Amino acid sequence: KNEVEQSPQNLTAQEGEFITINCSYSVGISALHWLQQHPGGGIVSLFMLSSGKKKHGRLIATINIQEKHSSLHITASHPRDSAVYICAVDFGNEKLTFGTGTRLTIIP
Amino acid sequence: NAGVTQTPKFQVLKTGQSMTLQCAQDMNHNSMYWYRQDPGMGLRLIYYSASEGTTDKGEVPNGYNVSRLNKREFSLRLESAAPSQTSVYFCASSGRYKNTGELFFGEGSRLTVL
Repeated sequence: KNEVEQSPQNLTAQEGEFITINCSYSVGISALHWLQQHPGGGIVSLFMLSSGKKKHGRLIATINIQEKHSSLHITASHPRDSAVYICAVDFGNEKLTFGTGTRLTIIP
Repeated sequence: NAGVTQTPKFQVLKTGQSMTLQCAQDMNHNSMYWYRQDPGMGLRLIYYSASEGTTDKGEVPNGYNVSRLNKREFSLRLESAAPSQTSVYFCASSGRYKNTGELFFGEGSRLTVL
């Protein structure tokens, strides 16, 4: 069965801390997405990757195909980073399987 | 640039009523999707359309129908609403045919079925 697991489910950190959110999946994939959902409910795509590493501002996403694992890192975290971060995986069947999300809270 | 627009944002229905959620994208994307989001669960695919004129069932299609009217529009219809369909619905689109490219989401539609 194609499964996606995220950890941790909830994460609270102080402003400025380095944040890591993890995503593991069960079988080979063609692509992995990281999404951000703000308290207002809107969902924004952060990254789509199939290998290696991507960086955008303070956000870094990495993927290890052999270990079936991806991480989303946030450097110098800020209260505006508080959101739910969602991992979604394309197992090659044109559809995405979503993790249940990691709720991140950054305290000033 | 509007991106993905879905309406309505909020709707309350009684059991057995019908309604249609509308979605339109202005990015010339081939692929469009309808998801539902429930507390404690990941987004789940209801239906998707890989291109104009084609639709396919996702993980949770029962109780829903869809229509890909043209390349821009993809609507989701509840013929006889049930309380189990209380959820937040998201429409999304992506630009790569036969493979998911970057996803663009609508703002969501919160549906309550009494």
